[in-house]
Amino acid sequence: DGGITQSPKYLFRKEGQNVTLSCEQNLNHDAMYWYRQDPGQGLRLIYYSQIVNDFQKGDIAEGYSVSREKKESFPLTVTSAQKNPTAFYLCASSKEQGKGNQPQHFGDGTRLSIL
Amino acid sequence: AQSVAQPEDQVNVAEGNPLTVKCTYSVSGNPYLFWYVQYPNRGLQFLLKYITGDNLVKGSYGFEAEFNKSQTSFHLKKPSALVSDSALYVCAVRDISGAGSYQLTFGKGTKLSVIP
Repeated sequence: DGGITQSPKYLFRKEGQNVTLSCEQNLNHDAMYWYRQDPGQGLRLIYYSQIVNDFQKGDIAEGYSVSREKKESFPLTVTSAQKNPTAFYLCASSKEQGKGNQPQHFGDGTRLSIL
Repeated sequence: AQSVAQPEDQVNVAEGNPLTVKCTYSVSGNPYLFWYVQYPNRGLQFLLKYITGDNLVKGSYGFEAEFNKSQTSFHLKKPSALVSDSALYVCAVRDISGAGSYQLTFGKGTKLSVIP
């Protein structure tokens, strides 16, 4: 079955440590996204990529980095510069064909906590 | 700028009764509108979308939504609620005429509880 796989499901970060969240899709989608979900808030966009080797900052990119070396993969690194990283992180993808009318499909998330 | 509001944090409904989850939006041009459902510790699942055409949109699991341009609303409805419908429902909007046209803006979500 096609879908989006996020790993790990739970992740713990120590002070001063960088951690990387994995996101892989086999839907042949062009666009991929990273969101952060906090209780009582809507999803906030961290980074997005519309094509391989290209990505753009979203609304809350500070303290995060991404790469898009393959169409299927869009890993997110939470750096030590992100002072409040505890959240539920969601990866999504969509088959954008110019009009932006395609729904986004989501993985099952990674819950990141501070040790 | 685009924005979306879900005025109710929680909605309670008895099993078998009709349910409505409200969503209003603000865009400068025309909207694309989406509804998603989220179960605990899971990702968002797509339910339905409005792009153009008929104002009544039918989606998965018996859900439907009505687009009302004059009231800038896109309320989610179901004629008969099931206990298994209990979840977080999230509305999202995209302004198709503005910059950043691939970005969605999400509402905070409405927690639906269906009481047996």
